[in-house]
Amino acid sequence: AQRVTQPEKLLSVFKGAPVELKCNYSYSGSPELFWYVQYSRQRLQLLLRHISRESIKGFTADLNKGETSFHLKKPFAQEEDSAMYYCALSGYQRSQGNLIFGKGTKLSVKP
Amino acid sequence: NAGVTQTPKFQVLKTGQSMTLQCAQDMNHEYMSWYRQDPGMGLRLIHYSVGAGITDQGEVPNGYNVSRSTTEDFPLRLLSAAPSQTSVYFCASSYSPGRGFSNTGELFFGEGSRLTVL
Repeated sequence: AQRVTQPEKLLSVFKGAPVELKCNYSYSGSPELFWYVQYSRQRLQLLLRHISRESIKGFTADLNKGETSFHLKKPFAQEEDSAMYYCALSGYQRSQGNLIFGKGTKLSVKP
Repeated sequence: NAGVTQTPKFQVLKTGQSMTLQCAQDMNHEYMSWYRQDPGMGLRLIHYSVGAGITDQGEVPNGYNVSRSTTEDFPLRLLSAAPSQTSVYFCASSYSPGRGFSNTGELFFGEGSRLTVL
């Protein structure tokens, strides 16, 4: 079964500190992994996807198939990074094309 | 280009009442879906559609109906509201779902509809 686990409900760091939001997944094939972000009073939006291997707003995430993880990292957190972050998984097959979301991690960056 | 538009933004219902949450997109997306967002539960898929005339159930479909008569619209119907359906509902759309999302673009979300059932 497909499953996404985000073990931390809340992560609180100080401005300038490194951030790592954890995401582990369960999927029998080759999944596609994503990070979505929801800033206060805004709609959910895509932050990054593993296949693009890109850095967005200083965030990066590497897919580790051995550990089935897709942790989101940023070396120096900013106050504007405070938001709700969701890790999501999609399968390649048509019937599994829906996104499965984790329960989310609320990131709070203190000044 | 409005993207994904949901109405209403807020609604209060009494137990047993029915209502429809509207969702429209102007991006000609084939795929549309409804999620509910609950504290500590994340987003859970209710129903989805891969094109006009085609709908299917997600993880938590009980108590909800959907239809897809046009590409643009994907309404979510609550037939007899219950307090357990108090939640924030999100509609989302994307291009073809056939090969996951990386080949076809990201999932675009509406602003959400906050529903309270008393």
